[in-house]
This record gives sequence, C-alpha cells and structure tokens, in this order.
Amino acid sequence: EAAVTQSPRNKVAVTGGKVTLSCNQTNNHNNMYWYRQDTGHGLRLIHYSYGAGSTEKGDIPDGYKASRPSQENFSLILELATPSQTSVYFCASGDAWGDQDTQYFGPGTRLLVL
Amino acid sequence: GQQVQQSPASLVLQEGENAELQCNFSTSLNSMQWFYQRPGGSLVSLFYNPSGTKHSGRLTSTTVIKERRSSLHISSSQTTDSGTYLCALAGANTGKLTFGHGTILRVHP
Repeated sequence: EAAVTQSPRNKVAVTGGKVTLSCNQTNNHNNMYWYRQDTGHGLRLIHYSYGAGSTEKGDIPDGYKASRPSQENFSLILELATPSQTSVYFCASGDAWGDQDTQYFGPGTRLLVL
Repeated sequence: GQQVQQSPASLVLQEGENAELQCNFSTSLNSMQWFYQRPGGSLVSLFYNPSGTKHSGRLTSTTVIKERRSSLHISSSQTTDSGTYLCALAGANTGKLTFGHGTILRVHP
C-alpha cells in the first residue's frame, strides 16, 4: 500500500515566524509535490521535485521554499509566515510516466498563521 | 482563464439516484485523474483515465480527448458517496496536476 505521511498534522504559527512542513513517502516514487487547498481556489501546486536534490517551482511558489534531501523526504519551508499562508497543505508522491501513473496524497497539514 | 472547469459545483441526491459529474479542460492533455475527498480528509485516487472509458464498481469514468472533457458517473448513489470529487489534468511529460475546483456531492438517505 502506497504511503505518504505528513507532519505536523496541525500547526499554529505567528506572523514572521519560520514554519517547516515535512513529508515522507515509502512508495519509492521519484516525484513529490506540495499543494495548498483553499476555498474558491481548489488545490494549487507550490513546489515539486523530480528526485533527491531537485526542487522546481510550481504555480504559486512565492513565499515558499522546498527541500528534497532524500528520495523519501520533501519539506516545505515558510521562512516568514504570513496570515495569507493559512491553509491546508497536501504532499503527494508519484511518477509522471507509465500507464498507471497517479499521485498518492498525504493526510494534509492544517496551518493557521496568526 | 481556468484550465480545468468542473460542473456542477454542488449536487444533492437521494440515495439510489445516479450522478454525472463533468470536467472540461482547455489545454493539451497528458492524463486525467479523478479524486475523491471526504470532508476534512485527504484525496484518494479514483481513476487515472487519459482516454476512453474505465469502470470501478459503481463508478465509470469517460474521457473524450477531442472534445476536451471527462465525466464521472456514479450509479445507485449511497450516503457514503458524499464528499468532494475533483478532476485533475496532468500536463505532458511533467506529472504536474492542475485541479478543478471540485463538485461537492451530498447524498441523503
């Protein structure tokens, strides 16, 4: 069974503080993704990675950094958190090629920036 | 404009009724995926369907590339089908998904 885990599951941060969201996958997938989900906007891609050491900008990367230190781990970093970054964040893993390509999502992290 | 549009935005059914959810896209398609999201929950993949028709239990997905649309049919709906259904378009050779805003389905007993 494909598995993607996220930590923390819930986080309250202060404006201007640093927040790190972590994601771990045991699927041995090359690709990993960070999305945020907001009412009225759906899910939007923030950053993604094609493998250890690589990070790519998604559709809304401003205010976020990403780190992929290993095949299994992908972090999303908010250096200076702002209230507009209050959202639910989802991590996913997948491989872009293949007849049965799909993405597997983690349980999500609820972030509240005060 | 939005690349992936879903309709209807919301749908209310009585248990046993069928549902037809639509997804229209305006860019070139590499693959289309349908996901289910329980309220407050994560996303579960229902179908990976770049073209043609696929079946899974009471669910059927049909993607017609030339018409730039994909549909999800739910037959004999159950209260446990309630939740949000999302379609997502993957760009060619990137794996990046662009999501529609979803259809919120409520099935009443």
